[in-house]
Amino acid sequence: DGGITQSPKYLFRKEGQNVTLSCEQNLNHDAMYWYRQDPGQGLRLIYYSQIVNDFQKGDIAEGYSVSREKKESFPLTVTSAQKNPTAFYLCASSLEGNQPQHFGDGTRLSIL
Amino acid sequence: SQQGEEDPQALSIQEGENATMNCSYKTSINNLQWYRQNSGRGLVHLILIRSNEREKHSGRLRVTLDTSKKSSSLLITASRAADTASYFCATDFSGYALNFGKGTSLLVTP
Repeated sequence: DGGITQSPKYLFRKEGQNVTLSCEQNLNHDAMYWYRQDPGQGLRLIYYSQIVNDFQKGDIAEGYSVSREKKESFPLTVTSAQKNPTAFYLCASSLEGNQPQHFGDGTRLSIL
Repeated sequence: SQQGEEDPQALSIQEGENATMNCSYKTSINNLQWYRQNSGRGLVHLILIRSNEREKHSGRLRVTLDTSKKSSSLLITASRAADTASYFCATDFSGYALNFGKGTSLLVTP
């Protein structure tokens, strides 16, 4: 079955620590995205990538970093510079930028 | 930036009733999409309507788009308890990424 896999499902971060969220897709999609969702809120775009080795900042990129070395993978690092990282993080992919997106089941990040 | 805005924020109906939620946006779009999110899960794509389309159907879903009013509506007919979820509209105006609204939380009671 094709889809998007996010791991881990739950993640805890200590003060001053960087953590990396994994996102893998086997849909052969070119475009991938990372969103942040806070309680009762919509999705806010962190980063997106339209092609391997290229990515663009979204609306709230500060304190986050990404890489796109393989078509299937788009990991997100939450750095210590992100002062309020507690949120639900969603990864998505699509054939092209304005096409329907397929989502993973998210990673819930909390601060210890 | 969140361009789409859903209305109402929350909606509670009984099984068998119809549910209507609306989305308003600010700038010209290429297409508008509706998604569903069950609690604690990722979003699931429901339907895409292009800027030159006025109405689209998929099963019990009916979506309309009025580009002159910059608004769209999602109608779910004969609602079921399993339709309980949050529903989001997403607009594409850049061709590169979508902008999601804050969603409508739908509760369908037996």
